[in-house]
Amino acid sequence: DAGVTQSPTHLIKTRGQQVTLRCSPISGHKSVSWYQQVLGQGPQFIFQYYEKEERGRGNFPDRFSARQFPNYSSELNVNALLLGDSALYLCASSSAGQGSYEQYFGPGTRLTVT
Amino acid sequence: AQRVTQPEKLLSVFKGAPVELKCNYSYSGSPELFWYVQYSRQRLQLLLRHISRESIKGFTADLNKGETSFHLKKPFAQEEDSAMYYCALSGGDSGYSTLTFGKGTMLLVSP
Repeated sequence: DAGVTQSPTHLIKTRGQQVTLRCSPISGHKSVSWYQQVLGQGPQFIFQYYEKEERGRGNFPDRFSARQFPNYSSELNVNALLLGDSALYLCASSSAGQGSYEQYFGPGTRLTVT
Repeated sequence: AQRVTQPEKLLSVFKGAPVELKCNYSYSGSPELFWYVQYSRQRLQLLLRHISRESIKGFTADLNKGETSFHLKKPFAQEEDSAMYYCALSGGDSGYSTLTFGKGTMLLVSP
């Protein structure tokens, strides 16, 4: 298993555009979480999905949305991009949603907004 | 609200010296604490968790609920320990396993 995979690796967008980031969890994992990591900061929680349902949402504006597909892969969408959305976006998968199951992180997608 | 504080951005030590990376948390419930590590050009990975009470790569961390701390310690640092270390807390009203991270501490171990 290659672990959690994310695509694309890097992305450059201009302000006002929309972006879609993709994540494939470890085989057998049903929970996917998204985090934003701004330079110099720790990862900040955006969303968690479990069994295709949203189970948690961080303090992010409605411009951020996500979904999980029947194969447990996930997409994160960001509309009306702002310069401040430039960050590393991390996806993490775990075997379950509740409890302190270990989260396995992907390599991230580096988004640059100009 | 839950919060994790790592007061040091950078900790520089010599090989063989003891290491302590500080982590303090704020959480009203019963927290679960973790240390994650990110080596150069690698993805974020779990180092240890307080409920397992195990030692990984010589590192240990004890949860002190009275001081709301979860400091990471190693008696003798090695050069390969150089990395970014994040303390994280798992909690939330929903009970789902979301993580709140601190800002991280860069550990540099010099020969």
